[in-house]
Amino acid sequence: NAGVMQNPRHLVRRRGQEARLRCSPMKGHSHVYWYRQLPEEGLKFMVYLQKENIIDESGMPKERFSAEFPKEGPSILRIQQVVRGDSAAYFCASSQRPLAGNNLQFFGPGTRLTVL
Amino acid sequence: AQTVTQSQPEMSVQEAETVTLSCTYDTSESDYYLFWYKQPPSRQMILVIRQEAYKQQNATENRFSVNFQKAAKSFSLKISDSQLGDAAMYFCAYRSAKGGSNYQLIWGAGTKLIIKP
Repeated sequence: NAGVMQNPRHLVRRRGQEARLRCSPMKGHSHVYWYRQLPEEGLKFMVYLQKENIIDESGMPKERFSAEFPKEGPSILRIQQVVRGDSAAYFCASSQRPLAGNNLQFFGPGTRLTVL
Repeated sequence: AQTVTQSQPEMSVQEAETVTLSCTYDTSESDYYLFWYKQPPSRQMILVIRQEAYKQQNATENRFSVNFQKAAKSFSLKISDSQLGDAAMYFCAYRSAKGGSNYQLIWGAGTKLIIKP
């Protein structure tokens, strides 16, 4: 069974370019969560999506960042006009059901974004 | 709002010895979950152990155990018989059990564990 997959693992962009980060959840999982990890820090929640719906984007910057999880295909985190401060590791997690009780999110290996 | 604090940026231990990593948290809730995650150089986030706040018994997974002190809001991780493969960043995380926001993990800043051969 494949786990949560993220690609690319490493992404280099110049300031002003767009970054697209992909996340394929575990098979049978329809809930996806994106987190950002800045250097020397823990993860920070960004957005929670179900298929075709954004449930909570309270952790996502209001500008330049967007996320989607279409009916078919991976979830995409899109960052437009990247700046150096966007350099971070971006993690995706998935769950089979809405998180309740002690069921878990399963994490992908992350995408390291470097903005030159 | 809940917060998680890991006051040790870095810890080191001799191989085969025992080390304890500290974590404190702040919450007004009575029902929640606590986690320790390991992040090796590969950056993959690996769940080490979890604890339900309503359970008084401390969770144990092989060489890993926790000391959960609910009144003190403390959740330390003890690693026994440390191995070279334990070297990693360790993160403490909190998740509410209350409906509505119980999918967000609140993370500490991490502790870098160094294992000396």
